[in-house]
Amino acid sequence: GQQVQQSPASLVLQEGENAELQCNFSSTATQLQWFYQSPGGSLVSLLSNPSGTKHTGRLTSTTVTKERRSSLHISSSQTTDSGTYLCAIEEGNMGYKLTFGTGTSLLVDP
Amino acid sequence: GPKVLQIPSHQIIDMGQMVTLNCDPVSNHLYFYWYKQILGQQMEFLVNFYNGKVMEKSKLFKDQFSVERPDGSYFTLKIQPTALEDSAVYFCASSSLGDSAETLYFGSGTRLTVL
Repeated sequence: GQQVQQSPASLVLQEGENAELQCNFSSTATQLQWFYQSPGGSLVSLLSNPSGTKHTGRLTSTTVTKERRSSLHISSSQTTDSGTYLCAIEEGNMGYKLTFGTGTSLLVDP
Repeated sequence: GPKVLQIPSHQIIDMGQMVTLNCDPVSNHLYFYWYKQILGQQMEFLVNFYNGKVMEKSKLFKDQFSVERPDGSYFTLKIQPTALEDSAVYFCASSSLGDSAETLYFGSGTRLTVL
């Protein structure tokens, strides 16, 4: 089945620094989403980006489909960005059967 | 934005008992999902549900698990009987279509502890 690897496993930044998170997956993906999981556990969808480059606010995602990788760039990090960032892949096209990565734990210090 | 509500946020139960986890999906959504996350591990797909039926389920969706949404009320996950390995956070999600191109909305999860 699909495997999703994320790196780094954890990252510590000073406020204002940029972060680059990586996601690699083993099979062709019809959809790729980045999620933020708060320290309390709730999950929020950040971006859907199966191919190309997408921006929203301070976030930029670039997915190179044929190389089976995606990145999430967070610019000018803030303490409120602290949490876990999850990459998830959908292999098919009939409903959501997402395969999640292990996540990158981000800590932004003031 | 649209919210998926999960009730309760925490549940502690003795092994062998039945438990029902409740999910109030986004009001106009038609597709519903349960995901399971064991502490420190990856989120994993359990089941998706549409028009009163299970569309697809994973191997984690054991025979002791069942889902339903009677009369447009809560979308529920029932475990009967519970086992120790069922301890996890269970996330409900919903979407208006089953198309993976749209946004999937997740609830905050129900932390289930089986003693």
